[in-house]
Amino acid sequence: DTEVTQTPKHLVMGMTNKKSLKCEQHMGHRAMYWYKQKAKKPPELMFVYSYEKLSINESVPSRFSPECPNSSLLNLHLHALQPEDSALYLCASSLRDRDNQPQHFGDGTRLSIL
Amino acid sequence: QKEVEQNSGPLSVPEGAIASLNCTYSDRGSQSFFWYRQYSGKSPELIMFIYSNGDKEDGRFTAQLNKASQYVSLLIRDSQPSDSATYLCAVRDNYGQNFVFGPGTRLSVLP
Repeated sequence: DTEVTQTPKHLVMGMTNKKSLKCEQHMGHRAMYWYKQKAKKPPELMFVYSYEKLSINESVPSRFSPECPNSSLLNLHLHALQPEDSALYLCASSLRDRDNQPQHFGDGTRLSIL
Repeated sequence: QKEVEQNSGPLSVPEGAIASLNCTYSDRGSQSFFWYRQYSGKSPELIMFIYSNGDKEDGRFTAQLNKASQYVSLLIRDSQPSDSATYLCAVRDNYGQNFVFGPGTRLSVLP
C-alpha cells in the first residue's frame, strides 16, 4: 500500500459515460501529478498541479479534465473517452514541484473503455 | 529533446547474482536521478534516488552516478526472484522540471 490513495482501482466505462478518478495524499505534498501508462511503456505525464494550481498540461485532450479542490485531493474527470484511452492512470505527489524530491505514486486506476 | 535511455531487456540473472541496470541521459544539466521498480500490473515504487557523483547504498541496492559520462546505474546484490520486475530510471534537470522516464529494463531473476 502507498501513501497516495487512488479510487477506484478498476473502472469500465462506455464512450458516452462521465466518470471521475480520485487521488488523495496526506503527506503535506504541494505538487500532484496525473500520468497515463500503457502496457510495457513508461508513465506519460498528463498534468501537474502546484499549490492547487494547474502548472503543466501536456497537450492532453479536453475529454480529460483535471481538478484540484485542495492540497490533498486531485480529481480527473473523464467524458467521451475513446478506446485508446484504456490504460493505467497513475497519480503521484511530491513535496513541491520543480525541486529534486522524488515523486510517490498511488496504486493507479485501471481504466477500460468499451 | 531530453532523452533517457535504458536497455529494454529482458536482463536475466541467476538467483544470488548481482544485477546491473544502466541508464544514460542526454541533458547534461540533469541534477536528480531516481530508480523505480514496477511489478506487472502495479504502480512504480521508489527504490533509490541519487544527486551526487559516486555511490549510494541502501541494503542490497546501490545507485551509482557519473555526471561526466551522463549515466546512472542500479546494482542489486544477492538478486532474488522477487526482484523480477521492470526498473524505471527517471531524471530531473536543474530547473526541477518534471521527470523524464526511461523506457524501463525488465529484470528476470532465475531461481
